[in-house]
Formats: sequence, structure tokens, C-alpha cells
Amino acid sequence: DGGITQSPKYLFRKEGQNVTLSCEQNLNHDAMYWYRQDPGQGLRLIYYSQIVNDFQKGDIAEGYSVSREKKESFPLTVTSAQKNPTAFYLCATAPTGGTGNTIYFGEGSWLTVV
Amino acid sequence: GQNIDQPTEMTATEGAIVQINCTYQTSGFNGLFWYQQHAGEAPTFLSYNVLDGLEEKGRFSSFLSRSKGYSYLLLKELQMKDSASYLCAVSHGSSNTGKLIFGQGTTLQVKP
Repeated sequence: DGGITQSPKYLFRKEGQNVTLSCEQNLNHDAMYWYRQDPGQGLRLIYYSQIVNDFQKGDIAEGYSVSREKKESFPLTVTSAQKNPTAFYLCATAPTGGTGNTIYFGEGSWLTVV
Repeated sequence: GQNIDQPTEMTATEGAIVQINCTYQTSGFNGLFWYQQHAGEAPTFLSYNVLDGLEEKGRFSSFLSRSKGYSYLLLKELQMKDSASYLCAVSHGSSNTGKLIFGQGTTLQVKP
């Protein structure tokens, strides 16, 4: 099946621990994005990548890191520097230069600090 | 600055019509999206407007006025399953269509 796979669906992090959220796509899309959503809020852009081996900070990049070594994969690491990481994380993809309705979201990952 | 505003909550009756408004101020504009999101799930695409006017798709319609920085989502013949959050988002990149700015979402409660 074509689509975006995020894992894990639920993740618990201890104080001071780094965790990595996986995002894999087989849509052959160039661009990939990570968004964060807090309860009752809209989505905010963390990082995005338009091409392999290149990525850019979004609006709330502090405390996060990413890599884009393969077109299919765009993992997000939530570092210990992120003081309030409990949130719903969404990965999205889009073809570069595509029309507006070609943005696809994964199913999301819930991260909770314990 | 960049800002998208929409009402926080709305309530409507099953079978009725509801209009959810969205106003925006962004540094660029490459289209406006409406998404539906049920609690704990990913957003689902509803509509996309890049030109002024009304786009109709079944029970859902979306309107855009670029000069006014204004859009609305119109839901007709409301059903209980329409109870959800509705997110307004603006694409403000050039060819970067996935770089979106989201409003905080409007939680719609449909009552019998």
C-alpha cells in the first residue's frame, strides 16, 4: 500500500532522554515535514526537507533534530533540550511543485513525558 | 507577523447549515486548506482554494477572498459524524506546498 508510516504510535519519554520518531513514505515525494500539535491547538511546523541531505528549521525547531539521508525517511529526534515535548506529532509529505491537495499526513505519534 | 484566526468552538443542530470563518495574514500565499480532524487522528483533507470564489464538494463548500484575507467552510445537512475540529491552513511557500500555517482549529459540536 502507498502511504506514510509513522512509528511508534505511542511513546513515553523519561526526563533527560532523547527519543526518535520514525516517518517512512513510499509515495516518492520529495518534500517531508514534521508538525507538532498540542491539545486544542493547530499544527506548528518543526522541520521540513525538500530534498535528500537538506532540511530547514520551521517555526519551533528548538529541542528537535532531523536527518534526511534517504528520500523515503525523515526521522525526528526529540532531545532532552525540548522542555515540554508532550504532544501529538504528525509527519507529512508533498511532491515539490505539486498542487495544493497533494499533501499527505501520516497517522501521528503520541509522545508523553513520564 | 503571520496569523490565522478562526473561532474556537461552534455548536449546530443535526440537519442544519454551519459556516466556519477563517481570516489570515501571511507573508505569502499559495493556497488555503480546510482539514477535518477527529480527536487523536490525523487531519483529513476537505478543500483547497487558491483563486477567489466558491468551491463546492458535496455537503462541503469553501470560499476564498484573497483581497480580504478571508475564507469560510460551509457544511450543509449536518450529521452527527461531522462533530470534529476544523482546521484552516495557509500554504505560504512558493513551490513548497506542504509548508503550512495553521489556525488553532474550530471545534464543532453537532447536537441532535
